[in-house]
Amino acid sequence: EAGVTQFPSHSVIEKGQTVTLRCDPISGHDNLYWYRRVMGKEIKFLLHFVKESKQDESGMPNNRFLAERTGGTYSTLKVQPAELEDSGVYFCASSTQFGYGYTFGSGTRLTVV
Amino acid sequence: AQSVSQHNHHVILSEAASLELGCNYSYGGTVNLFWYVQYPGQHLQLLLKYFSGDPLVKGIKGFEAEFIKSKFSFNLRKPSVQWSDTAEYFCAVNAGNYGQNFVFGPGTRLSVLP
Repeated sequence: EAGVTQFPSHSVIEKGQTVTLRCDPISGHDNLYWYRRVMGKEIKFLLHFVKESKQDESGMPNNRFLAERTGGTYSTLKVQPAELEDSGVYFCASSTQFGYGYTFGSGTRLTVV
Repeated sequence: AQSVSQHNHHVILSEAASLELGCNYSYGGTVNLFWYVQYPGQHLQLLLKYFSGDPLVKGIKGFEAEFIKSKFSFNLRKPSVQWSDTAEYFCAVNAGNYGQNFVFGPGTRLSVLP
């Protein structure tokens, strides 16, 4: 079974540019989560999709971040415009309808210069 | 709000030494408890989890953890570490429903010297 796939694995962009991160969950997983870890800090929850709907977006830091989940399959997280403090590792995870099989992707390391 | 603390930022051990990583959480209700590991260049992997029942849980690779409800703790242990255990370890909790989001601790980096 394929795991949770994230790409790109690394991205280096300049301040003010736009970046889009993608997450492909495990097939059949209704729940999809985004987390991020900024340098030296905890891994923090950003938001949670159930299928294509946002169940909880309480962790989104500000309106420069936009997450979508087209057709309840893959998800994208867009940062526009990127700021220096957005640098970190962005993790995606997915789980089944009842929360089983919670699996993390390998993350996207974002560096804003 | 839930919070998780881990006692050590960086632990350095020699091979065959015993390991104990401390984790405390702050939440008044029912919680599920987890330890995740991230090996260099790899994704987060589940080591073990506690939902209910026996407070001593065994995980993969010889790790175990003990839930002590009165102390709000969930410490990770391994009797004899190996060089391949070098990684970052994260304690995490979620409340009630396993499908909810996690609250992570800040992580403990373990370096095992050969």
